[in-house]
Amino acid sequence: DVKVTQSSRYLVKRTGEKVFLECVQDMDHENMFWYRQDPGLGLRLIYFSYDVKMKEKGDIPEGYSVSREKKERFSLILESASTNQTSMYLCASSLLGAGGETQYFGPGTRLLVL
Amino acid sequence: RKEVEQDPGPFNVPEGATVAFNCTYSNSASQSFFWYRQDCRKEPKLLMSVYSSGNEDGRFTAQLNRASQYISLLIRDSKLSDSATYLCVVKSLSGSARQLTFGSGTQLTVLP
Repeated sequence: DVKVTQSSRYLVKRTGEKVFLECVQDMDHENMFWYRQDPGLGLRLIYFSYDVKMKEKGDIPEGYSVSREKKERFSLILESASTNQTSMYLCASSLLGAGGETQYFGPGTRLLVL
Repeated sequence: RKEVEQDPGPFNVPEGATVAFNCTYSNSASQSFFWYRQDCRKEPKLLMSVYSSGNEDGRFTAQLNRASQYISLLIRDSKLSDSATYLCVVKSLSGSARQLTFGSGTQLTVLP
């Protein structure tokens, strides 16, 4: 079974803090993704990566950055957290080729920015 | 206009009922379609792909209507365990080959 893990289930941070969210997958998937999920808005793609050290902006990259130094690990960074970044953050991974349309999600991190 | 639109519900149905959800997509270049399921406070998981000819997986039937740009999911003989949010997902060639676009989901509650 594919396993995607995220470093924290719940986080509480203060406005202006730097926040790191870590994601690790154990299936040697090339693609990794970071989404945020908000009521009524669904999942929105923040950033994705299709290879080590490669990254591409998704639909809502503002206020976020990412890092992929190793194939299995994809980090999301909030440089200076703001209250409008309070959300559920979901990491996902998928294969590069055929079958890559199936994304496997981690359990999510609920972030509260005060 | 959202790229993928779903009725948020909630749909409250008794056990054993048949329930159907629709989803519309705006990008006519969309190529691949899926239904994901998300249980309360859990991550989304792939339920089934949607093929042009329609496809069935047990009690679940998915249909695609390209002319009208909508996808449907039919659940027969609903079980309590079917209670979840169902996400319509579309992959479009005009976007990155690796990107999926998720609808905001339709909430289903199956009542005893």
